[in-house]
Amino acid sequence: DGGITQSPKYLFRKEGQNVTLSCEQNLNHDAMYWYRQDPGQGLRLIYYSQIVNDFQKGDIAEGYSVSREKKESFPLTVTSAQKNPTAFYLCASSPGLASGELFFGEGSRLTVL
Amino acid sequence: AQSVTQLDSQVPVFEEAPVELRCNYSSSVSVYLFWYVQYPNQGLQLLLKYLSGSTLVKGINGFEAEFNKSQTSFHLRKPSVHISDTAEYFCAVRYNSGGYQKVTFGTGTKLQVIP
Repeated sequence: DGGITQSPKYLFRKEGQNVTLSCEQNLNHDAMYWYRQDPGQGLRLIYYSQIVNDFQKGDIAEGYSVSREKKESFPLTVTSAQKNPTAFYLCASSPGLASGELFFGEGSRLTVL
Repeated sequence: AQSVTQLDSQVPVFEEAPVELRCNYSSSVSVYLFWYVQYPNQGLQLLLKYLSGSTLVKGINGFEAEFNKSQTSFHLRKPSVHISDTAEYFCAVRYNSGGYQKVTFGTGTKLQVIP
Protein backbone atom coordinates (compact mmCIF):
# COMPACT_ATOMS: atom_id res chain seq x y z
CA ASP A 1 0.00 0.00 0.00
CA GLY A 2 1.14 3.54 -0.68
CA GLY A 3 1.87 5.73 2.26
CA ILE A 4 4.34 7.30 4.62
CA THR A 5 6.32 5.25 7.09
CA GLN A 6 7.92 6.78 10.15
CA SER A 7 10.26 4.88 12.43
CA PRO A 8 10.73 4.27 15.21
CA LYS A 9 7.27 4.90 16.70
CA TYR A 10 8.71 5.36 20.20
CA LEU A 11 12.25 6.37 21.06
CA PHE A 12 14.00 7.05 24.34
CA ARG A 13 17.36 8.78 24.48
CA LYS A 14 19.65 10.31 27.03
CA GLU A 15 20.22 14.03 27.09
CA GLY A 16 23.10 15.10 24.83
CA GLN A 17 22.68 12.33 22.26
CA ASN A 18 21.78 12.95 18.65
CA VAL A 19 18.77 11.06 17.33
CA THR A 20 17.66 10.41 13.74
CA LEU A 21 14.01 9.85 12.87
CA SER A 22 13.25 8.08 9.63
CA CYS A 23 10.57 9.09 7.12
CA GLU A 24 9.98 7.17 3.90
CA GLN A 25 7.20 7.64 1.34
CA ASN A 26 6.21 5.64 -1.73
CA LEU A 27 3.61 8.08 -3.00
CA ASN A 28 6.00 9.67 -5.49
CA HIS A 29 5.41 13.05 -3.86
CA ASP A 30 7.81 15.89 -4.47
CA ALA A 31 7.34 17.78 -1.21
CA MET A 32 8.06 16.51 2.29
CA TYR A 33 7.68 18.15 5.68
CA TRP A 34 8.62 17.66 9.33
CA TYR A 35 6.40 18.98 12.09
CA ARG A 36 6.74 18.95 15.84
CA GLN A 37 3.61 18.60 17.96
CA ASP A 38 3.38 19.66 21.60
CA PRO A 39 0.18 19.74 23.68
CA GLY A 40 -1.77 22.96 23.10
CA GLN A 41 0.65 24.26 20.46
CA GLY A 42 -0.58 22.52 17.35
CA LEU A 43 1.91 21.54 14.67
CA ARG A 44 4.99 23.65 14.17
CA LEU A 45 7.05 23.38 11.00
CA ILE A 46 10.67 22.29 11.46
CA TYR A 47 11.93 21.76 7.89
CA TYR A 48 10.43 21.24 4.47
CA SER A 49 11.68 20.14 1.07
CA GLN A 50 10.09 20.64 -2.31
CA ILE A 51 12.59 18.65 -4.38
CA VAL A 52 15.57 16.36 -3.95
CA ASN A 53 18.72 18.02 -2.63
CA ASP A 54 16.82 21.12 -1.57
CA PHE A 55 15.28 21.93 1.81
CA GLN A 56 14.25 25.00 3.75
CA LYS A 57 14.10 25.91 7.42
CA GLY A 58 10.68 26.16 8.95
CA ASP A 59 9.64 28.13 12.00
CA ILE A 60 11.55 26.11 14.62
CA ALA A 61 14.60 24.68 12.81
CA GLU A 62 17.18 25.39 15.53
CA GLY A 63 18.66 22.19 16.91
CA TYR A 64 17.46 20.07 13.99
CA SER A 65 18.96 18.97 10.67
CA VAL A 66 17.62 17.15 7.61
CA SER A 67 18.76 15.73 4.29
CA ARG A 68 16.93 14.96 1.06
CA GLU A 69 19.22 12.76 -1.00
CA LYS A 70 16.38 10.64 -2.39
CA LYS A 71 12.85 11.60 -3.35
CA GLU A 72 11.30 9.02 -1.05
CA SER A 73 13.35 9.74 2.07
CA PHE A 74 13.54 12.76 4.40
CA PRO A 75 15.26 11.87 7.70
CA LEU A 76 15.28 14.29 10.62
CA THR A 77 18.15 14.49 13.11
CA VAL A 78 17.43 15.94 16.52
CA THR A 79 20.78 17.21 17.75
CA SER A 80 22.03 17.81 21.25
CA ALA A 81 21.60 21.55 20.56
CA GLN A 82 17.82 21.18 20.67
CA LYS A 83 16.96 22.39 24.16
CA ASN A 84 13.66 20.62 24.60
CA PRO A 85 13.51 17.66 22.22
CA THR A 86 10.82 15.59 23.93
CA ALA A 87 7.83 15.76 21.57
CA PHE A 88 5.72 13.99 18.98
CA TYR A 89 7.24 14.32 15.50
CA LEU A 90 5.16 14.08 12.35
CA CYS A 91 6.40 13.64 8.81
CA ALA A 92 4.20 14.51 5.83
CA SER A 93 4.40 14.55 2.06
CA SER A 94 2.46 16.28 -0.65
CA PRO A 95 2.24 16.45 -4.42
CA GLY A 96 4.04 19.47 -5.80
CA LEU A 97 0.79 21.20 -6.71
CA ALA A 98 -0.15 24.17 -4.57
CA SER A 99 -3.57 22.69 -3.95
CA GLY A 100 -2.34 19.36 -2.67
CA GLU A 101 -3.11 18.24 0.82
CA LEU A 102 -0.56 16.73 3.19
CA PHE A 103 -0.38 13.00 3.80
CA PHE A 104 0.92 12.15 7.25
CA GLY A 105 2.85 9.32 8.79
CA GLU A 106 1.85 7.82 12.14
CA GLY A 107 4.40 9.88 14.03
CA SER A 108 7.42 9.25 16.23
CA ARG A 109 7.33 10.00 19.93
CA LEU A 110 10.74 11.00 21.26
CA THR A 111 11.40 11.11 24.98
CA VAL A 112 14.69 12.46 26.24
CA LEU A 113 15.56 11.30 29.74
CA ALA B 1 3.60 34.66 6.89
CA GLN B 2 0.14 33.25 7.34
CA SER B 3 -1.29 32.40 10.72
CA VAL B 4 -4.27 30.28 11.69
CA THR B 5 -6.38 30.84 14.79
CA GLN B 6 -8.53 28.23 16.44
CA LEU B 7 -10.00 30.04 19.40
CA ASP B 8 -11.57 27.03 21.08
CA SER B 9 -9.06 24.61 22.54
CA GLN B 10 -11.79 22.24 23.73
CA VAL B 11 -15.42 21.80 22.70
CA PRO B 12 -17.68 19.43 24.67
CA VAL B 13 -20.92 18.47 22.95
CA PHE B 14 -23.61 15.88 23.57
CA GLU B 15 -24.03 13.00 21.15
CA GLU B 16 -26.39 13.78 18.24
CA ALA B 17 -26.10 17.53 18.86
CA PRO B 18 -24.67 19.88 16.19
CA VAL B 19 -21.17 21.30 16.48
CA GLU B 20 -19.16 24.12 14.96
CA LEU B 21 -15.38 24.38 15.26
CA ARG B 22 -14.05 27.82 14.43
CA CYS B 23 -11.06 28.71 12.29
CA ASN B 24 -9.77 32.10 11.15
CA TYR B 25 -6.72 32.79 9.04
CA SER B 26 -4.66 35.94 8.75
CA SER B 27 -4.90 37.04 5.15
CA SER B 28 -7.22 37.02 2.19
CA VAL B 29 -4.46 36.49 -0.35
CA SER B 30 -4.64 33.32 -2.38
CA VAL B 31 -4.59 30.38 0.02
CA TYR B 32 -5.87 26.87 0.18
CA LEU B 33 -7.68 25.77 3.33
CA PHE B 34 -7.87 22.39 5.00
CA TRP B 35 -9.33 20.62 8.01
CA TYR B 36 -7.60 17.56 9.44
CA VAL B 37 -8.56 15.16 12.22
CA GLN B 38 -6.17 13.42 14.60
CA TYR B 39 -6.96 10.44 16.80
CA PRO B 40 -4.69 9.78 19.82
CA ASN B 41 -1.09 8.86 18.99
CA GLN B 42 -1.74 8.90 15.27
CA GLY B 43 -0.97 11.12 12.32
CA LEU B 44 -3.47 13.54 10.79
CA GLN B 45 -6.12 12.61 8.23
CA LEU B 46 -7.73 14.99 5.78
CA LEU B 47 -11.39 15.82 6.46
CA LEU B 48 -11.96 18.32 3.68
CA LYS B 49 -10.34 21.10 1.69
CA TYR B 50 -11.25 24.34 -0.02
CA LEU B 51 -9.39 25.16 -3.23
CA SER B 52 -11.83 27.33 -5.19
CA GLY B 53 -15.42 27.43 -6.37
CA SER B 54 -18.34 26.76 -4.05
CA THR B 55 -17.77 28.17 -0.60
CA LEU B 56 -19.50 25.21 1.06
CA VAL B 57 -17.25 22.20 1.11
CA LYS B 58 -18.35 18.73 2.09
CA GLY B 59 -15.94 16.23 3.57
CA ILE B 60 -15.82 12.77 5.05
CA ASN B 61 -17.82 11.53 8.05
CA GLY B 62 -20.60 14.08 7.50
CA PHE B 63 -18.46 17.16 8.11
CA GLU B 64 -18.69 20.33 6.06
CA ALA B 65 -17.03 23.73 6.15
CA GLU B 66 -17.85 27.14 4.78
CA PHE B 67 -15.25 29.48 3.34
CA ASN B 68 -15.94 33.14 4.10
CA LYS B 69 -13.45 35.39 2.37
CA SER B 70 -14.63 38.66 3.91
CA GLN B 71 -14.30 37.27 7.42
CA THR B 72 -11.23 35.15 6.58
CA SER B 73 -12.93 32.19 8.23
CA PHE B 74 -13.29 28.50 7.48
CA HIS B 75 -15.50 27.04 10.20
CA LEU B 76 -16.14 23.31 10.41
CA ARG B 77 -19.63 21.98 11.13
CA LYS B 78 -21.47 18.74 11.65
CA PRO B 79 -25.24 18.61 12.18
CA SER B 80 -25.19 15.56 14.47
CA VAL B 81 -22.05 14.24 16.16
CA HIS B 82 -21.25 10.69 17.12
CA ILE B 83 -19.05 9.30 19.88
CA SER B 84 -16.52 8.29 17.23
CA ASP B 85 -16.03 11.97 16.33
CA THR B 86 -14.13 12.49 19.58
CA ALA B 87 -10.71 13.62 18.36
CA GLU B 88 -8.58 16.70 17.83
CA TYR B 89 -9.27 18.85 14.79
CA PHE B 90 -6.77 21.09 13.04
CA CYS B 91 -7.35 23.86 10.56
CA ALA B 92 -4.51 24.56 8.10
CA VAL B 93 -3.65 27.01 5.35
CA ARG B 94 -1.34 26.35 2.42
CA TYR B 95 0.27 29.33 0.67
CA ASN B 96 3.20 30.38 -1.43
CA SER B 97 6.13 31.90 0.41
CA GLY B 98 9.11 32.98 -1.65
CA GLY B 99 8.43 30.35 -4.28
CA TYR B 100 7.94 27.58 -1.71
CA GLN B 101 4.72 25.97 -0.59
CA LYS B 102 4.29 26.26 3.15
CA VAL B 103 1.54 24.84 5.33
CA THR B 104 0.65 26.44 8.66
CA PHE B 105 -1.60 24.80 11.24
CA GLY B 106 -3.79 26.14 14.01
CA THR B 107 -3.32 25.00 17.60
CA GLY B 108 -6.15 22.49 17.35
CA THR B 109 -9.58 21.98 18.91
CA LYS B 110 -10.34 18.90 20.97
CA LEU B 111 -13.87 17.74 20.35
CA GLN B 112 -15.29 15.69 23.20
CA VAL B 113 -18.59 13.99 22.44
CA ILE B 114 -20.56 13.20 25.59
CA PRO B 115 -22.87 10.17 25.55
